[in-house]
Amino acid sequence: NAGVTQTPKFRVLKTGQSMTLLCAQDMNHEYMYWYRQDPGMGLRLIHYSVGEGTTAKGEVPDGYNVSRLKKQNFLLGLESAAPSQTSVYFCASSYRGLGTGELFFGEGSRLTVL
Amino acid sequence: GEDVEQSLFLSVREGDSSVINCTYTDSSSTYLYWYKQEPGAGLQLLTYIFSNMDMKQDQRLTVLLNKKDKHLSLRIADTQTGDSAIYFCAESNFNKFYFGSGTKLNVKP
Repeated sequence: NAGVTQTPKFRVLKTGQSMTLLCAQDMNHEYMYWYRQDPGMGLRLIHYSVGEGTTAKGEVPDGYNVSRLKKQNFLLGLESAAPSQTSVYFCASSYRGLGTGELFFGEGSRLTVL
Repeated sequence: GEDVEQSLFLSVREGDSSVINCTYTDSSSTYLYWYKQEPGAGLQLLTYIFSNMDMKQDQRLTVLLNKKDKHLSLRIADTQTGDSAIYFCAESNFNKFYFGSGTKLNVKP
């Protein structure tokens, strides 16, 4: 019963490097989301997707790109990492749209940018 | 975006009741949620309440909603050490979903 799986769980990058975080869900959910969690700031929505092949910007999209080529996968990319992107990243999915149902979260990916 | 505010810390003794409070600003919120985050893990939904309800009880959990004051609370009865975690309040309204900054609950034996 995997649910939402994120890889990698930890990563250290140097400023300017690029990387991709992978999120996979096995619940056949239409909606998928990427959040970042910073101390004292709760979770902030980066990008989300309402279905395969679609993506949309959230509250804090700058510096990130996403793709949803397959329904079960949602990728978050950093093209040129900055120290301000040091954070814990959470992927989530839901059967119904944002605000109308339960979000299922992955365990998080801790990214440090030096 | 909308504001959802919570106090950052709460410390209680095992066996006591815990009350975690949350205020929000969006009067058109349709659902309000409590999520729990244990160390090193993602968030898990604890309970939720629809905006036309005043109270919801689920075993040791009681959610109270004061829509007039835009105040939500979570009461945990007979708090156990396993309840130590960060608790997030969240509100939603169709295409919006906002989280508070989380309240870290510390349960002392």
